Amino acid sequence: DTEVTQTPKHLVMGMTNKKSLKCEQHMGHRAMYWYKQKAKKPPELMFVYSYEKLSINESVPSRFSPECPNSSLLNLHLHALQPEDSALYLCASSRGVDGELFFGEGSRLTVL
Amino acid sequence: ILNVEQSPQSLHVQEGDSTNFTCSFPSSNFYALHWYRWETAKSPEALFVMTLNGDEKKKGRISATLNTKEGYSYLYIKGSQPEDSATYLCASSGGFKTIFGAGTRLFVKA
Repeated sequence: DTEVTQTPKHLVMGMTNKKSLKCEQHMGHRAMYWYKQKAKKPPELMFVYSYEKLSINESVPSRFSPECPNSSLLNLHLHALQPEDSALYLCASSRGVDGELFFGEGSRLTVL
Repeated sequence: ILNVEQSPQSLHVQEGDSTNFTCSFPSSNFYALHWYRWETAKSPEALFVMTLNGDEKKKGRISATLNTKEGYSYLYIKGSQPEDSATYLCASSGGFKTIFGAGTRLFVKA
C-alpha cells in the first residue's frame, strides 16, 4: 500500500472545465513533486516543492497551477487544458530533495 | 549524454534466466542514481538509491552497480521469476531535480 494518496484516480474533463488533482502524505516529507507521464515515455518533472515553497517549475504552461497548502498536501489545479494534456499525473514525496521518491498511484487524466 | 537513457526498451525472458539492464546518465549536477520498480496499476517503488562511484547494492535476487565517472548503472536480476515482470525505471537526481529514463519493460514467462 502506498503512503502517498492521490485523488481522483481517474478524471475526464472538457477543455473549458476547471478541476483539481490532490495529493497527500503523512510521512513528514518536506519535498513534494508532480510528474506527468505519457505511455512509453519517461515521467516528466513538472514542479518541485521544498518546505512548502515552489523550488522548480519546469516551464510548465500556466494552465497547470500547483499549490502546497501545507507540508502534507499538494494540489494541481487544472484549467483550459488541451487534449494533449491527457496523461498519468504522478505525485511523489521525499524526505529531502534528491532523495528516494515515494509515489502515489497516479491520477489518469483525459481531456476531451 | 544529456538525458537519462535506458536499454533495452523491453525484454522477454524465461523463468530462471538472469538478466541485466543499463542506465546512462549525465555526469553534471549528479547527486544520486535511483532504480524503481513499477508494476501495472501500482505506484513506482524504490529499489535502490546510490550516490558513490563503485557503489553496489543488493536486495534479494536484484542488485545494482554505479559508475559515476562514466555515467552508467547496471541492474541485475538473478533467476527471474514471473513476479519480476514490471517496468524498471532509472532516475538521476541532483540540483533539486530527479530525472527519469523511459524504463525497461521486463516480461518473465513461466
